[in-house]
Amino acid sequence: ETGVTQSPTHLIKTRGQQVTLRCSSQSGHNTVSWYQQALGQGPQFIFQYYREEENGRGNFPPRFSGLQFPNYSSELNVNALELDDSALYLCASSLAAEDTGELFFGEGSRLTVL
Amino acid sequence: ILNVEQSPQSLHVQEGDSTNFTCSFPSSNFYALHWYRWETAKSPEALFVMTLNGDEKKKGRISATLNTKEGYSYLYIKGSQPEDSATYLCAFSNTGNQFYFGTGTSLTVIP
Repeated sequence: ETGVTQSPTHLIKTRGQQVTLRCSSQSGHNTVSWYQQALGQGPQFIFQYYREEENGRGNFPPRFSGLQFPNYSSELNVNALELDDSALYLCASSLAAEDTGELFFGEGSRLTVL
Repeated sequence: ILNVEQSPQSLHVQEGDSTNFTCSFPSSNFYALHWYRWETAKSPEALFVMTLNGDEKKKGRISATLNTKEGYSYLYIKGSQPEDSATYLCAFSNTGNQFYFGTGTSLTVIP
């Protein structure tokens, strides 16, 4: 068990709605990354937060936004939901000072957009 | 978008068989290559973190090799057991903060 927790585990939304997903990082980790895994694909990098600042972003539109809090927990917000946003959203924490960059994943939040 | 490819997509082996999977990635601007094991209803778990060309890592019956010059890594499982059944993901990074994942190899070990 990694110590990374995500909530909610499952949720259903309709097109146009907004969603917030939450992640608590492993103790001692100051970096959180979010990945989207659509059906049949590998996880796709959304963005990373390091010490409350965005530290890299993948090829996702601005309606995907995030926050990192002083305790290093994080939120992923998605506005104006589209059907293609249906996916498993994975949060991973890491210790940025490590040169290995090993990611410690939560179990994910499965979002269904109807 | 960088392309990371894994093969085969799925694999069924008998208990006791040895098997291997391939991960191909861009050979330029290499930073790290990770292998993760992902069991159903659990979180992906890191198996190996590899950073140097020629790296060979081993954990029990599982081992991995890395060739950054030609852009591939192999994962080997010796004497497969039913508990090895999982999806094996590789992830490549050229920067350290963004990882590009393959689609995974789904392994089923038949008792």
